[in-house]
Amino acid sequence: DGGITQSPKYLFRKEGQNVTLSCEQNLNHDAMYWYRQDPGQGLRLIYYSQIVNDFQKGDIAEGYSVSREKKESFPLTVTSAQKNPTAFYLCASSISRAGGHQPQHFGDGTRLSIL
Amino acid sequence: GENVEQHPSTLSVQEGDSAVIKCTYSDSASNYFPWYKQELGKRPQLIIDIRSNVGEKKDQRIAVTLNKTAKHFSLHITETQPEDSAVYFCAARFTGGGNKLTFGTGTQLKVEL
Repeated sequence: DGGITQSPKYLFRKEGQNVTLSCEQNLNHDAMYWYRQDPGQGLRLIYYSQIVNDFQKGDIAEGYSVSREKKESFPLTVTSAQKNPTAFYLCASSISRAGGHQPQHFGDGTRLSIL
Repeated sequence: GENVEQHPSTLSVQEGDSAVIKCTYSDSASNYFPWYKQELGKRPQLIIDIRSNVGEKKDQRIAVTLNKTAKHFSLHITETQPEDSAVYFCAARFTGGGNKLTFGTGTQLKVEL
């Protein structure tokens, strides 16, 4: 899905540091999502946004923050409050229509590690 | 809360055999069930999906079946090939969450020559 771009591909965080992961899409999708992927645990939802200037917590939002100022962009900040940030982070987007039968399309991910 | 269980966690088959992965979900009102394939270090890719008003859907060697009464759905891959080796995730859309999906924990499929 070339329409969703995540950057950087690899990111390293020092103790006490906040880092921001970028997600941009040119698919004109209203909805965007952030997932965390750990080995053996599948994809867990961190935050999602169904429209500009609105977002909701997912299942594991503690230690993370997001913003949705533009339709195309949904950056994720991993704060120092997230004590175990090492993971593969995936951004996704989808059309947002009543009924919800819309597939989510993923970016290539960002792998975050602690220094 | 919403829950999706996926089995098995690993599956090894011989090339040409069939593979079946099963998922169960907790919310009987769930209405959309996609399956994703993820190769090592890459993004998950949608391979097939099914809506709750359909019992079965096929796309070449891949099929998905849905049993709403039992709240389970399955992925069937026939005539497996080495390039089918990957991790497969099921997901379900639970009501009240927009297009939010809950994912299973994944199945590592290995197709051996």
